Amino acid sequence: ETGVTQTPRHLVMGMTNKKSLKCEQHLGHNAMYWYKQSAKKPLELMFVYNFKEQTENNSVPSRFSPECPNSSHLFLHLHTLQPEDSALYLCASSFEGDEAFFGPGTRLTVL
Amino acid sequence: TQLLEQSPQFLSIQEGENLTVYCNSSSVFSSLQWYRQEPGEGPVLLVTVVTGGEVKKLKRLTFQFGDARKDSSLHITAAQPGDTGLYLCAGANTGNQFYFGTGTSLTVIP
Repeated sequence: ETGVTQTPRHLVMGMTNKKSLKCEQHLGHNAMYWYKQSAKKPLELMFVYNFKEQTENNSVPSRFSPECPNSSHLFLHLHTLQPEDSALYLCASSFEGDEAFFGPGTRLTVL
Repeated sequence: TQLLEQSPQFLSIQEGENLTVYCNSSSVFSSLQWYRQEPGEGPVLLVTVVTGGEVKKLKRLTFQFGDARKDSSLHITAAQPGDTGLYLCAGANTGNQFYFGTGTSLTVIP
Protein backbone atom coordinates (compact mmCIF):
# COMPACT_ATOMS: atom_id res chain seq x y z
CA GLU A 1 0.00 0.00 0.00
CA THR A 2 1.73 3.16 -1.23
CA GLY A 3 -0.97 5.68 -0.34
CA VAL A 4 -1.95 6.12 -3.98
CA THR A 5 -5.09 4.37 -5.21
CA GLN A 6 -6.35 3.92 -8.74
CA THR A 7 -9.70 2.79 -10.09
CA PRO A 8 -10.61 0.80 -11.99
CA ARG A 9 -7.79 -1.75 -11.96
CA HIS A 10 -8.88 -3.17 -15.30
CA LEU A 11 -10.85 -1.56 -18.12
CA VAL A 12 -11.93 -2.84 -21.50
CA MET A 13 -13.46 -0.31 -23.87
CA GLY A 14 -14.41 0.06 -27.49
CA MET A 15 -12.98 2.79 -29.68
CA THR A 16 -16.20 4.83 -29.49
CA ASN A 17 -16.59 4.65 -25.70
CA LYS A 18 -15.91 7.38 -23.16
CA LYS A 19 -14.42 6.35 -19.84
CA SER A 20 -12.44 7.91 -16.99
CA LEU A 21 -9.58 6.72 -14.84
CA LYS A 22 -9.39 7.94 -11.26
CA CYS A 23 -6.41 8.43 -8.99
CA GLU A 24 -6.37 9.51 -5.35
CA GLN A 25 -3.40 10.12 -3.08
CA HIS A 26 -3.52 10.21 0.71
CA LEU A 27 0.05 11.42 1.25
CA GLY A 28 -0.38 15.19 1.30
CA HIS A 29 1.68 15.54 -1.88
CA ASN A 30 1.49 18.57 -4.14
CA ALA A 31 2.36 16.99 -7.50
CA MET A 32 0.51 14.27 -9.41
CA TYR A 33 1.44 12.48 -12.60
CA TRP A 34 0.02 10.23 -15.31
CA TYR A 35 2.38 7.73 -16.95
CA LYS A 36 1.77 5.23 -19.74
CA GLN A 37 3.60 1.90 -19.70
CA SER A 38 3.47 -0.23 -22.81
CA ALA A 39 5.09 -3.61 -23.31
CA LYS A 40 8.83 -3.39 -23.97
CA LYS A 41 8.85 0.42 -23.71
CA PRO A 42 10.12 2.75 -20.98
CA LEU A 43 7.64 4.59 -18.81
CA GLU A 44 6.19 7.53 -20.77
CA LEU A 45 5.30 10.67 -18.88
CA MET A 46 1.95 12.04 -20.02
CA PHE A 47 0.93 14.85 -17.68
CA VAL A 48 2.19 16.59 -14.54
CA TYR A 49 0.11 18.67 -12.17
CA ASN A 50 1.49 20.84 -9.37
CA PHE A 51 -1.06 22.21 -6.89
CA LYS A 52 -3.86 21.54 -9.43
CA GLU A 53 -2.07 23.39 -12.23
CA GLN A 54 -0.88 21.45 -15.27
CA THR A 55 2.84 21.98 -15.66
CA GLU A 56 3.63 19.36 -18.28
CA ASN A 57 1.80 17.94 -21.28
CA ASN A 58 4.19 15.60 -23.04
CA SER A 59 2.64 15.91 -26.53
CA VAL A 60 -0.22 13.65 -25.58
CA PRO A 61 -3.07 13.26 -28.14
CA SER A 62 -6.24 15.14 -27.30
CA ARG A 63 -8.20 11.91 -26.93
CA PHE A 64 -6.59 11.84 -23.46
CA SER A 65 -7.91 14.65 -21.26
CA PRO A 66 -6.62 15.08 -17.70
CA GLU A 67 -8.43 16.78 -14.85
CA CYS A 68 -7.06 17.71 -11.44
CA PRO A 69 -9.79 19.25 -9.24
CA ASN A 70 -7.52 19.36 -6.17
CA SER A 71 -4.10 18.18 -5.01
CA SER A 72 -5.44 14.78 -3.93
CA HIS A 73 -7.40 13.72 -7.00
CA LEU A 74 -6.46 13.21 -10.62
CA PHE A 75 -8.55 11.94 -13.49
CA LEU A 76 -7.78 10.85 -17.02
CA HIS A 77 -10.77 11.11 -19.35
CA LEU A 78 -10.62 8.84 -22.38
CA HIS A 79 -12.58 9.10 -25.62
CA THR A 80 -12.26 7.63 -29.11
CA LEU A 81 -9.16 5.70 -28.19
CA GLN A 82 -7.18 3.49 -30.56
CA PRO A 83 -6.05 -0.12 -30.01
CA GLU A 84 -2.45 1.11 -29.67
CA ASP A 85 -3.53 3.03 -26.56
CA SER A 86 -3.86 -0.28 -24.73
CA ALA A 87 -1.36 -0.16 -21.89
CA LEU A 88 -0.90 0.08 -18.12
CA TYR A 89 -1.73 3.61 -16.98
CA LEU A 90 0.05 4.60 -13.81
CA CYS A 91 -0.67 7.49 -11.50
CA ALA A 92 2.00 8.83 -9.17
CA SER A 93 2.40 11.62 -6.66
CA SER A 94 5.33 13.39 -5.06
CA PHE A 95 6.13 16.13 -2.57
CA GLU A 96 8.16 18.82 -4.28
CA GLY A 97 9.55 16.22 -6.73
CA ASP A 98 11.50 14.32 -4.08
CA GLU A 99 10.31 10.76 -4.72
CA ALA A 100 7.47 9.39 -6.81
CA PHE A 101 4.93 7.07 -5.22
CA PHE A 102 2.89 5.03 -7.66
CA GLY A 103 -0.56 3.58 -7.62
CA PRO A 104 -1.21 -0.01 -8.75
CA GLY A 105 -2.19 1.09 -12.25
CA THR A 106 -5.15 0.59 -14.56
CA ARG A 107 -4.74 -2.08 -17.23
CA LEU A 108 -6.55 -0.63 -20.26
CA THR A 109 -7.54 -2.67 -23.29
CA VAL A 110 -9.02 -0.90 -26.31
CA LEU A 111 -10.89 -3.16 -28.70
CA THR B 1 14.96 14.79 -22.72
CA GLN B 2 17.25 13.41 -20.01
CA LEU B 3 17.67 9.77 -20.96
CA LEU B 4 18.76 7.07 -18.55
CA GLU B 5 20.07 3.84 -20.03
CA GLN B 6 19.90 0.69 -17.96
CA SER B 7 21.93 -2.44 -18.51
CA PRO B 8 21.43 -5.24 -18.90
CA GLN B 9 17.92 -5.08 -20.31
CA PHE B 10 17.20 -8.70 -19.35
CA LEU B 11 18.89 -10.89 -16.76
CA SER B 12 18.14 -14.49 -15.82
CA ILE B 13 20.16 -16.03 -13.00
CA GLN B 14 20.09 -18.93 -10.58
CA GLU B 15 19.07 -18.48 -6.97
CA GLY B 16 22.10 -17.62 -4.83
CA GLU B 17 24.02 -15.77 -7.53
CA ASN B 18 25.07 -12.12 -7.33
CA LEU B 19 24.21 -9.49 -9.92
CA THR B 20 24.68 -5.82 -10.72
CA VAL B 21 22.36 -3.53 -12.67
CA TYR B 22 23.62 -0.24 -14.09
CA CYS B 23 21.86 3.06 -14.75
CA ASN B 24 23.78 5.59 -16.85
CA SER B 25 23.10 9.08 -18.11
CA SER B 26 24.94 12.05 -19.54
CA SER B 27 22.86 14.35 -17.32
CA VAL B 28 23.39 15.32 -13.70
CA PHE B 29 20.54 14.67 -11.27
CA SER B 30 19.82 16.07 -7.83
CA SER B 31 18.71 12.61 -6.70
CA LEU B 32 18.14 9.18 -8.12
CA GLN B 33 15.57 6.57 -7.19
CA TRP B 34 15.39 2.82 -7.71
CA TYR B 35 12.06 1.04 -8.05
CA ARG B 36 10.95 -2.58 -8.41
CA GLN B 37 7.81 -3.41 -10.35
CA GLU B 38 5.96 -6.72 -10.43
CA PRO B 39 3.70 -7.66 -13.37
CA GLY B 40 0.40 -5.78 -13.38
CA GLU B 41 1.41 -3.56 -10.47
CA GLY B 42 2.88 -0.10 -10.06
CA PRO B 43 6.59 0.48 -9.34
CA VAL B 44 7.48 0.42 -5.65
CA LEU B 45 10.19 2.75 -4.38
CA LEU B 46 13.24 0.93 -2.99
CA VAL B 47 15.69 3.74 -2.25
CA THR B 48 16.68 7.32 -2.98
CA VAL B 49 20.30 8.42 -3.25
CA VAL B 50 21.18 12.09 -3.11
CA THR B 51 24.90 12.64 -2.54
CA GLY B 52 27.59 11.85 -5.13
CA GLY B 53 29.41 8.67 -4.08
CA GLU B 54 26.66 7.71 -1.66
CA VAL B 55 26.16 4.03 -0.88
CA LYS B 56 22.96 2.69 0.67
CA LYS B 57 22.21 -0.85 1.75
CA LEU B 58 18.80 -2.47 2.00
CA LYS B 59 19.33 -6.04 3.27
CA ARG B 60 20.90 -7.85 0.29
CA LEU B 61 20.60 -4.83 -2.02
CA THR B 62 23.39 -2.24 -2.30
CA PHE B 63 22.82 1.01 -4.17
CA GLN B 64 25.53 3.42 -5.25
CA PHE B 65 25.28 6.91 -6.71
CA GLY B 66 28.15 7.96 -8.96
CA ASP B 67 30.50 10.69 -7.82
CA ALA B 68 29.28 12.99 -10.60
CA ARG B 69 25.61 12.14 -9.90
CA LYS B 70 25.10 10.92 -13.46
CA ASP B 71 24.97 7.17 -12.88
CA SER B 72 24.04 4.56 -10.34
CA SER B 73 24.28 0.83 -9.72
CA LEU B 74 22.23 -1.75 -7.88
CA HIS B 75 23.98 -4.86 -6.60
CA ILE B 76 22.03 -7.84 -5.29
CA THR B 77 23.81 -10.47 -3.23
CA ALA B 78 22.57 -14.06 -3.12
CA ALA B 79 19.52 -13.40 -5.29
CA GLN B 80 16.24 -15.05 -4.34
CA PRO B 81 13.13 -15.80 -6.45
CA GLY B 82 11.35 -12.99 -4.60
CA ASP B 83 13.79 -10.53 -6.20
CA THR B 84 12.23 -11.25 -9.61
CA GLY B 85 10.77 -8.15 -11.22
CA LEU B 86 11.41 -5.08 -13.34
CA TYR B 87 13.97 -2.72 -11.83
CA LEU B 88 13.70 0.92 -12.80
CA CYS B 89 15.96 3.84 -12.02
CA ALA B 90 14.69 7.41 -12.14
CA GLY B 91 16.56 10.69 -12.00
CA ALA B 92 15.02 13.76 -10.43
CA ASN B 93 15.76 17.44 -10.78
CA THR B 94 13.95 20.62 -9.85
CA GLY B 95 10.50 21.10 -11.31
CA ASN B 96 8.74 17.94 -10.11
CA GLN B 97 10.15 15.96 -13.04
CA PHE B 98 11.27 12.30 -12.98
CA TYR B 99 13.20 10.74 -15.85
CA PHE B 100 12.85 6.97 -15.90
CA GLY B 101 15.35 4.46 -17.17
CA THR B 102 14.72 1.80 -19.78
CA GLY B 103 14.35 -0.92 -17.13
CA THR B 104 16.04 -4.22 -16.28
CA SER B 105 13.90 -7.33 -16.16
CA LEU B 106 15.31 -9.78 -13.62
CA THR B 107 14.32 -13.43 -13.30
CA VAL B 108 15.73 -15.49 -10.46
CA ILE B 109 15.34 -19.22 -11.06
CA PRO B 110 14.86 -21.42 -7.97
